[in-house]
Amino acid sequence: AQSVSQHNHHVILSEAASLELGCNYSYGGTVNLFWYVQYPGQHLQLLLKYFSGDPLVKGIKGFEAEFIKSKFSFNLRKPSVQWSDTAEYFCAVGANTGFQKLVFGTGTRLLVSP
Amino acid sequence: DGGITQSPKYLFRKEGQNVTLSCEQNLNHDAMYWYRQDPGQGLRLIYYSQIVNDFQKGDIAEGYSVSREKKESFPLTVTSAQKNPTAFYLCASSQDREITQYFGPGTRLTVL
Repeated sequence: AQSVSQHNHHVILSEAASLELGCNYSYGGTVNLFWYVQYPGQHLQLLLKYFSGDPLVKGIKGFEAEFIKSKFSFNLRKPSVQWSDTAEYFCAVGANTGFQKLVFGTGTRLLVSP
Repeated sequence: DGGITQSPKYLFRKEGQNVTLSCEQNLNHDAMYWYRQDPGQGLRLIYYSQIVNDFQKGDIAEGYSVSREKKESFPLTVTSAQKNPTAFYLCASSQDREITQYFGPGTRLTVL
């Protein structure tokens, strides 16, 4: 069975600091990888996704993530965070075979102080 | 205006009562999902449906039931058998071959 680990449960940064949120997954086959973001009071929305090809994927709002197959990781990065990035971030993994079910990590709450 | 709607936004019920949460989508998506979100536990899959008149249990289906009589609708019933029903419930949908899931705004259920 698939599982996803997000090691940082709470992260506090000052504006302009760099961000890296860890995501590791456990699954033996080919995977599809996602980062979702939930801003306060808003829908859960897709930040970026990886299906195949270039392991460095760029998403909305200056976010990017790198798939490192050997490490089973898909860490999310942003060079310079803004106060508006305050949100909860979820990593999700889906098996790349058959019908897609996603397994979500427990989430990381990011607080960016102005 | 395409999207997923969930109603109501907040719902209060007495212990022992069944309650049905609504989820409607006008994206013409084949697949629909129900998740439960609890603090520190992320999203856990309750039920999903790949197509009309078909649905499957997810990881935490006990105490819940669903129906999928129409493509655009996937209501979730939280029954009195659910031991800890107070939570935030999220509905999602995806196109059959497009695996990205799109989420509704959620319903916060509080059982008193």
